[in-house]
Amino acid sequence: DAMVIQNPRYQVTQFGKPVTLSCSQTLNHNVMYWYQQKSSQAPKLLFHYYDKDFNNEADTPDNFQSRRPNTSFCFLDIRSPGLGDAAMYLCATSRGDRSSYEQYFGPGTRLTVT
Amino acid sequence: AQTVTQSQPEMSVQEAETVTLSCTYDTSENNYYLFWYKQPPSRQMILVIRQEAYKQQNATENRFSVNFQKAAKSFSLKISDSQLGDTAMYFCAFYNTNAGKSTFGDGTTLTVKP
Repeated sequence: DAMVIQNPRYQVTQFGKPVTLSCSQTLNHNVMYWYQQKSSQAPKLLFHYYDKDFNNEADTPDNFQSRRPNTSFCFLDIRSPGLGDAAMYLCATSRGDRSSYEQYFGPGTRLTVT
Repeated sequence: AQTVTQSQPEMSVQEAETVTLSCTYDTSENNYYLFWYKQPPSRQMILVIRQEAYKQQNATENRFSVNFQKAAKSFSLKISDSQLGDTAMYFCAFYNTNAGKSTFGDGTTLTVKP
């Protein structure tokens, strides 16, 4: 089945130790999004790609960076995780055209910072 | 910038009853899409229903329907014949077609009681 896959599902990292979360999709969608979701809150958009065009949200900390080497993969790099970065990180995709703007979400990666 | 407001943090309903979740939004855009997403406990977020702003007819998907009032900027979700599997957090989302991204409300946690 076509889907959005996130690895790992659970990630524990130490304060200040760089970490990379990955997302892959088999939907061949143009748009990929990274969201941060803290407990029982709305997902907060960090950035998104339309094809190779990168769009950063104004309030996304510099500590967060992203790479999209090809259509299928997208990575979230947290250069120096702080305790406040502990959250669920959601990857989502969308076709990004009028036929369908709906987003397809992965299961998320729960990041713990110790 | 758009804002999305879900005024009911928590709701409960008896199995087989009907419940309505409210959502209001604020925008100066004329072309946009609205979505309701469902996030069950410890499971990934999935689309419930979508509404194109240019369509006056309210969207319906089986037991789920919306009441879209464009002038009032209101987009409520009605769940008929509630089932235990409907227990989840429900997010209302506004999609800005110009910006290519969504703004989510803070969510409503719905509990369906047997």
